[in-house]
Amino acid sequence: RKEVEQDPGPFNVPEGATVAFNCTYSNSASQSFFWYRQDCRKEPKLLMSVYSSGNEDGRFTAQLNRASQYISLLIRDSKLSDSATYLCVAAIISGGYNKLIFGAGTRLAVHP
Amino acid sequence: NAGVTQTPKFRILKIGQSMTLQCAQDMNHNYMYWYRQDPGMGLKLIYYSVGAGITDKGEVPNGYNVSRSTTEDFPLRLELAAPSQTSVYFCASSYSTGNYGYTFGSGTRLTVV
Repeated sequence: RKEVEQDPGPFNVPEGATVAFNCTYSNSASQSFFWYRQDCRKEPKLLMSVYSSGNEDGRFTAQLNRASQYISLLIRDSKLSDSATYLCVAAIISGGYNKLIFGAGTRLAVHP
Repeated sequence: NAGVTQTPKFRILKIGQSMTLQCAQDMNHNYMYWYRQDPGMGLKLIYYSVGAGITDKGEVPNGYNVSRSTTEDFPLRLELAAPSQTSVYFCASSYSTGNYGYTFGSGTRLTVV
């Protein structure tokens, strides 16, 4: 079983749609969580951290359910520029450092 | 402030050749990492370093070596390149622990033929 599992997609949605990505993690010792965005042939870039109380950044909302070991990302009013792969990340403290475990990513394609 | 800089961006190697992938960061981060990313797969940790002079193996260290003589630089060495090492390599850095993500370099796309 993968440590961080995501639906690979692709999710094909029209502009203006609302889309949700889900992710599960297997290590209950995970302490921090993130969503990264990766454009085609580019490096991953931090989109947002995920807090237990849920957090919002503009059109993006992240939720964490520790009991179910489940993380979600909601994108409202999708833009063409949102087309990318979204990586779910769980972090644990291991060997004295913040070890990030990356999911394989969910691909989003927003069309006109 | 350039962040994390990787060179080269692209490289083609022949089987058995060796090369060094360079990585430098100017954010005074103690922690640095090397990952590889294969198509459709998550990032796999090759090696990491918690500070100058200290390195340790990640999930997939075989065929690679690293050194960390300064806080800024963390080169990755490939000895005897093999086709299985064809991948995109990302270097990253971070603050120590806590709720911090990583900052990634732009990657090196390596093909071994």
